[in-house]
Amino acid sequence: GAGVSQSPRYKVAKRGQDVALRCDPISGHVSLFWYQQALGQGPEFLTYFQNEAQLDKSGLPSDRFFAERPEGSVSTLKIQRTQQEDSAVYLCASSLVGTGSKWLFFGSGTQLSVL
Amino acid sequence: AQTVTQSQPEMSVQEAETVTLSCTYDTSESDYYLFWYKQPPSRQMILVIRQEAYKQQNATENRFSVNFQKAAKSFSLKISDSQLGDAAMYFCAYRSGNDMRFGAGTRLTVKP
Repeated sequence: GAGVSQSPRYKVAKRGQDVALRCDPISGHVSLFWYQQALGQGPEFLTYFQNEAQLDKSGLPSDRFFAERPEGSVSTLKIQRTQQEDSAVYLCASSLVGTGSKWLFFGSGTQLSVL
Repeated sequence: AQTVTQSQPEMSVQEAETVTLSCTYDTSESDYYLFWYKQPPSRQMILVIRQEAYKQQNATENRFSVNFQKAAKSFSLKISDSQLGDAAMYFCAYRSGNDMRFGAGTRLTVKP
């Protein structure tokens, strides 16, 4: 596709529900990042994939958060037993290579509201 | 851990005037890259300008330019001839390898 696509754009969940957020990176992009952006804050790193390998998951806030990218393209961020503090915008970004000056292309994010 | 600090939560500029947004960072790496991203209400993060740390020359993209002071670990963004469409959140970002981190952002308002 022309850009990074994320779905859904908005998600409302009741506390305790599981949610799954999808990211379609730009075709051919090796690297994929997930970020969490709280209201009025900058994006905070969650996890990084190079192709299908999850090379860094140090930013995942708890074991309720799980990300996968089984075929090295589409990625899913899953949050189990959602809590109110999980309410945020979840941004996905991709780039051509894992290092170097290649900047990240971002999707428009999924705004998650946990009631 | 690398940190990125934007000390100006909000800035305001008159249309057609110039404004400078500040950013400092902390790193022990010698090879890294710096970026400024713009985030309008649509939430789409848009790359404004980038700078390779090994380059001494400051990057310029049309009305946008940076003042990169490597020793001081400072990376400010100057917007010249400000336009109403420049109003947005601006984030400074640092990247070394797979580590990319963002500042807390500066909200820029442009007054007509």
